[in-house]
Amino acid sequence: AQSVSQHNHHVILSEAASLELGCNYSYGGTVNLFWYVQYPGQHLQLLLKYFSGDPLVKGIKGFEAEFIKSKFSFNLRKPSVQWSDTAEYFCAVIGYGGSQGNLIFGKGTKLSVKP
Amino acid sequence: EPEVTQTPSHQVTQMGQEVILRCVPISNHLYFYWYRQILGQKVEFLVSFYNNEISEKSEIFDDQFSVERPDGSNFTLKIRSTKLEDSAMYFCASSVWASSDEQFFGPGTRLTVL
Repeated sequence: AQSVSQHNHHVILSEAASLELGCNYSYGGTVNLFWYVQYPGQHLQLLLKYFSGDPLVKGIKGFEAEFIKSKFSFNLRKPSVQWSDTAEYFCAVIGYGGSQGNLIFGKGTKLSVKP
Repeated sequence: EPEVTQTPSHQVTQMGQEVILRCVPISNHLYFYWYRQILGQKVEFLVSFYNNEISEKSEIFDDQFSVERPDGSNFTLKIRSTKLEDSAMYFCASSVWASSDEQFFGPGTRLTVL
């Protein structure tokens, strides 16, 4: 069965610090990978996605993620966080093989950025 | 910008009662989904719906759950006889296509079963 692991439950950073949130998935076949963000009081929004091609994908608000197939990883990065990045971040995967698009989510990482 | 809407934002019900959660997907989207998130746990897939029928469902989606698209705009999730463990945030999502497409999420309905 497909699963997604996010290594950090809660990350606390100061503004301008660099961010890396880990995500590993378990699925042997072709996958589509996503990072969603949920700002306080708001709904899930797509940050970025990887389907194929360049394994380094850029998303909104300066976020990027790198797909490393050999490590089954899709870590999220941002060189310099802002207070407004305070949110919960969810890694998700869709594996091919009959799936009609159901996203498998990780548990989420709560990011708190101190001003 | 078009968005997925859900009503109500919060529903409180007694155990054993039926609840209907409503969603209006984005108008040109073809695939619809329900997910739930129990407090402190992962967002979990419940069901996907396409062309007026269920495409896929998880083991959570048992006989007490049903989905319907009663008209051209609404997409509903019905829980026939609620249990305490059904208390969760329920998210509706929609996408133009399946699998390879971005899913747009609604704000969620918080269901509290007493």
